[in-house]
Amino acid sequence: EDQVTQSPEALRLQEGESSSLNCSYTVSGLRGLFWYRQDPGKGPEFLFTLYSAGEEKEKERLKATLTKKESFLHITAPKPEDSATYLCAAPTGGGNKLTFGTGTQLKVEL
Amino acid sequence: DTGVSQNPRHKITKRGQNVTFRCDPISEHNRLYWYRQTLGQGPEFLTYFQNEAQLEKSRLLSDRFSAERPKGSFSTLEIQRTEQGDSAMYLCASSTVGYEQYFGPGTRLTVT
Repeated sequence: EDQVTQSPEALRLQEGESSSLNCSYTVSGLRGLFWYRQDPGKGPEFLFTLYSAGEEKEKERLKATLTKKESFLHITAPKPEDSATYLCAAPTGGGNKLTFGTGTQLKVEL
Repeated sequence: DTGVSQNPRHKITKRGQNVTFRCDPISEHNRLYWYRQTLGQGPEFLTYFQNEAQLEKSRLLSDRFSAERPKGSFSTLEIQRTEQGDSAMYLCASSTVGYEQYFGPGTRLTVT
């Protein structure tokens, strides 16, 4: 069964304290790995798509990487405005739906 | 703003009532998706349209749920005889060729 698992469930960082979020997947015929940011009470906001092992993408303080079994979202020198839930997802079941992990709730404190 | 829009943003209803939600996708996107999200969980797939055709439905979509996309534009999701377990955020997303899906702000349903 296709599965996407995220860790940790929650992460508390001090401003400027870099860290990484993990997304492991078991998906047959991976057609991409997606990262989204979700603020409370809002819909997920698209961040990145990664298609092949070794690929990296960056946006401001965020960098996403992909291996054959997992993806990492690296946060460098985070700020309080980076506080959100970060979700990863993969297309499954013929590619017509996304299967999501349960997310990592990130809190960045001053 | 040319993103995905959803209405209403919030809906409170009594158990047993029917509710209908609307989604307007990004105009050039021919694919439209509905998801449901409960607290502490990631979104779960409900159904998918390509143009006006409903091509896939999740087992989560019981007989009380129906979705339409007339003329391949906006979509509606109706829940009949609501139950307390239906309380969730209902999310709509759209996409074009490829797999990247863009989400709307969601409709928060509370069944009392």
